[in-house]
Amino acid sequence: GNSVTQMEGPVTLSEEAFLTINCTYTATGYPSLFWYVQYPGEGLQLLLKATKADDKGSNKGFEATYRKETTSFHLEKGSVQVSDSAVYFCALDSGAGSYQLTFGKGTKLSVIP
Amino acid sequence: KAGVTQTPRYLIKTRGQQVTLSCSPISGHRSVSWYQQTPGQGLQFLFEYFSETQRNKGNFPGRFSGRQFSNSRSEMNVSTLELGDSALYLCASSSSGTNTEAFFGQGTRLTVV
Repeated sequence: GNSVTQMEGPVTLSEEAFLTINCTYTATGYPSLFWYVQYPGEGLQLLLKATKADDKGSNKGFEATYRKETTSFHLEKGSVQVSDSAVYFCALDSGAGSYQLTFGKGTKLSVIP
Repeated sequence: KAGVTQTPRYLIKTRGQQVTLSCSPISGHRSVSWYQQTPGQGLQFLFEYFSETQRNKGNFPGRFSGRQFSNSRSEMNVSTLELGDSALYLCASSSSGTNTEAFFGQGTRLTVV
């Protein structure tokens, strides 16, 4: 079956530090890949997505590249801000009529001034 | 445009009772999915509806059920509540339900005592 593995958190960084959150996946076919972010007390918001190999998703300074050869979709940001503190979820949609997202466990990021 | 609306935001129920949660999708979206979020299991897919038809169902017992109305609004029902059903229940809507952006509501926090 499909699965997503994220690096364990929590992750604590100082403001302006470089961020990487690792994500690897197992899926049949050609999945679409997503990063969602959840702020305290809120639902999930789509941060970025990539629908085919070598695509790069980007938004608000965050980037992730769909690497089929390593089945990875690592999230990066060059300089984090306190406002980036949240829980980040990697997810996949295998398509092919699945109509569901499979999520990783989430990584909590805390950015300190 | 208005986002995904879930009601109520908070619920406290007693073991053995049943509960109904409601989700109003973004206007024009015909796909509604439900997810259960717990600290231990993370985000787990419950079911997905499109144009009043259930297209996919996750691995949950039959106590969990749902439906979708002709205006795309959806409800999920949990009967014979157990303590382990305490969770944040998230609803997501999308235009087609696969490989497209899913917009999440803020969730309903269910506590079973």
